[in-house]
Amino acid sequence: GDSVTQMEGPVTLSEEAFLTINCTYTATGYPSLFWYVQYPGEGLQLLLKATKADDKGSNKGFEATYRKETTSFHLEKGSVQVSDSAVYFCALSVRRGSQGNLIFGKGTKLSVKP
Amino acid sequence: GAVVSQHPSRVICKSGTSVKIECRSLDFQATTMFWYRQFPKQSLMLMATSNEGSKATYEQGVEKDKFLINHASLTLSTLTVTSAHPEDSSFYICSVVRNGAGNTIYFGEGSWLTVV
Repeated sequence: GDSVTQMEGPVTLSEEAFLTINCTYTATGYPSLFWYVQYPGEGLQLLLKATKADDKGSNKGFEATYRKETTSFHLEKGSVQVSDSAVYFCALSVRRGSQGNLIFGKGTKLSVKP
Repeated sequence: GAVVSQHPSRVICKSGTSVKIECRSLDFQATTMFWYRQFPKQSLMLMATSNEGSKATYEQGVEKDKFLINHASLTLSTLTVTSAHPEDSSFYICSVVRNGAGNTIYFGEGSWLTVV
């Protein structure tokens, strides 16, 4: 069945370090891919998305490229800040463009130290 | 500000009792809401799709008689965990689809349930 695998955390970085959180997926059909972020005490928020192969989603300095050949959607940021400390979830939806029914990875907790 | 409100954020209950979790959309009406559950070190898993005015659609393996979902209005869906047991202790989170361009989805803050 469809699934998402993302690197386990926690990930601890110093401020201004480079961030990569790996995410790979298995899906029948043509999924849309998402990264969600959950800040402490808040709900999940959509960080970025990509709906087709080679699309790059970007937001708040974060980027992820939909790589069909490697079935990956790795999250990257060139210089993290303390305020980026949160849990990041990779997700897919097999219905193109729909975010209603999502399959999530386990989440990766990121802690950024000053 | 928050678009979806979920309450309570944390609840501890005794084994055998029932617990109700509410999910409200604050700025718009929602015909569809989703309930997810996350066990420790596991993925968020879809439990059921809540449809306003009709019965919820449950995912395979989710007991509909144990996890009662009521979507009685366009702004409120409730999840009631009946006869809770320690193995029901988990993180429950709702999401709400805002119909329109892009069908944006918003998540609640989540609810931590501990059954003792």
